[in-house]
Amino acid sequence: QKEVEQNSGPLSVPEGAIASLNCTYSDRGSQSFFWYRQYSGKSPELIMFIYSNGDKEDGRFTAQLNKASQYVSLLIRDSQPSDSATYLCAVNYGQNFVFGPGTRLSVLP
Amino acid sequence: EAGVAQSPRYKIIEKRQSVAFWCNPISGHATLYWYQQILGQGPKLLIQFQNNGVVDDSQLPKDRFSAERLKGVDSTLKIQPAKLEDSAVYLCASSSRDSSKPNYGYTFGSGTRLTVV
Repeated sequence: QKEVEQNSGPLSVPEGAIASLNCTYSDRGSQSFFWYRQYSGKSPELIMFIYSNGDKEDGRFTAQLNKASQYVSLLIRDSQPSDSATYLCAVNYGQNFVFGPGTRLSVLP
Repeated sequence: EAGVAQSPRYKIIEKRQSVAFWCNPISGHATLYWYQQILGQGPKLLIQFQNNGVVDDSQLPKDRFSAERLKGVDSTLKIQPAKLEDSAVYLCASSSRDSSKPNYGYTFGSGTRLTVV
């Protein structure tokens, strides 16, 4: 059973702070890792993907991957109330993805 | 480009009734997926099509769920008969990229929210 785990939250941070979202996965063979954002009642939308160890930055978002520890994270700098959503980690297994349960983030004004 | 289209947006049915959902992927996308997302959980893959062939349906409850993708474009997902635990959002997604490449991802449709009473 391929598993992807996330802390369900809610994670509350003040506006302007750094939000840190974490994800662990069970299969060492996984190669691609994705972060999706899902607003309440909406479908998931892709934020970032990463497949090499280290950091990948895109605007206020930074994805971090550590394959040895089977750990991937998403940092959101200068958090805004509009970042309040559920963040889903997705890990590829073969041709498919397995999604984690998501972490609910609340950015407080 | 136009997104992934799904219909209906909402559906309420009684248990043991049947229901069908429709999906039209982004033009040219060869790969189509149906996911089930129960409230508070991440999406769970039900079935994956590559053109009009099934690639993975290992998590599809085949005694009640069926799906088809005629001509490799539109797809329908059917539930017959529905159970209370089928209440969820059914998401369709498509991808044009070669799934053997490391950076491919999905584009999701807006989903169909099913309530079984």
